[in-house]
Amino acid sequence: KNEVEQSPQNLTAQEGEFITINCSYSVGISALHWLQQHPGGGIVSLFMLSSGKKKHGRLIATINIQEKHSSLHITASHPRDSAVYICAGSSSWGGGGADGLTFGKGTHLIIQP
Amino acid sequence: GAVVSQHPSRVICKSGTSVKIECRSLDFQATTMFWYRQFPKQSLMLMATSNEGSKATYEQGVEKDKFLINHASLTLSTLTVTSAHPEDSSFYICSAIPDGTDTQYFGPGTRLTVL
Repeated sequence: KNEVEQSPQNLTAQEGEFITINCSYSVGISALHWLQQHPGGGIVSLFMLSSGKKKHGRLIATINIQEKHSSLHITASHPRDSAVYICAGSSSWGGGGADGLTFGKGTHLIIQP
Repeated sequence: GAVVSQHPSRVICKSGTSVKIECRSLDFQATTMFWYRQFPKQSLMLMATSNEGSKATYEQGVEKDKFLINHASLTLSTLTVTSAHPEDSSFYICSAIPDGTDTQYFGPGTRLTVL
């Protein structure tokens, strides 16, 4: 059974701070997703990665396959970054072998002005 | 970008009634769609994998006779909660993978409240 552990559960920071959210996952997970869920419930897919590092704007996601660990970083954080960030794993990369996701419990991030 | 819609966004029904939730991929075809649910203050949980033209695959603990899934076209999957009860009250979210790609796009979700 795939498992995903995420930390911290809650994080409050000041605007401008560098944010790190961590995720550990079990053997069997080969692709790691970072998602953002807004208060209304809508979910946006931020990154999907199976190796290395990806960057989009102020967001950076890294993954260490040997340690089965991934991090999501937010640089120059802003109040609009306040949301729940969710780490999720899948057993396949997707496409023809698409898998549903196993989710972490989420990190509730609040960025104060 | 790829857009997934869900309808309705919010539904309140009486116990014992059936509720149908639609998930549509608006600008792409998706052989595979997924249905998730999220109880208050809990993480999302995969309910089932919906495959166009074949039976859905349900996760352990999800009753296939209670949560009927129909994926009749490459752009539409429906989830019907039959004989809904208050414990079925939850946030239901679908996602779809554009054929030939590997990214899941999520719908906005449907909040179901069963009285």
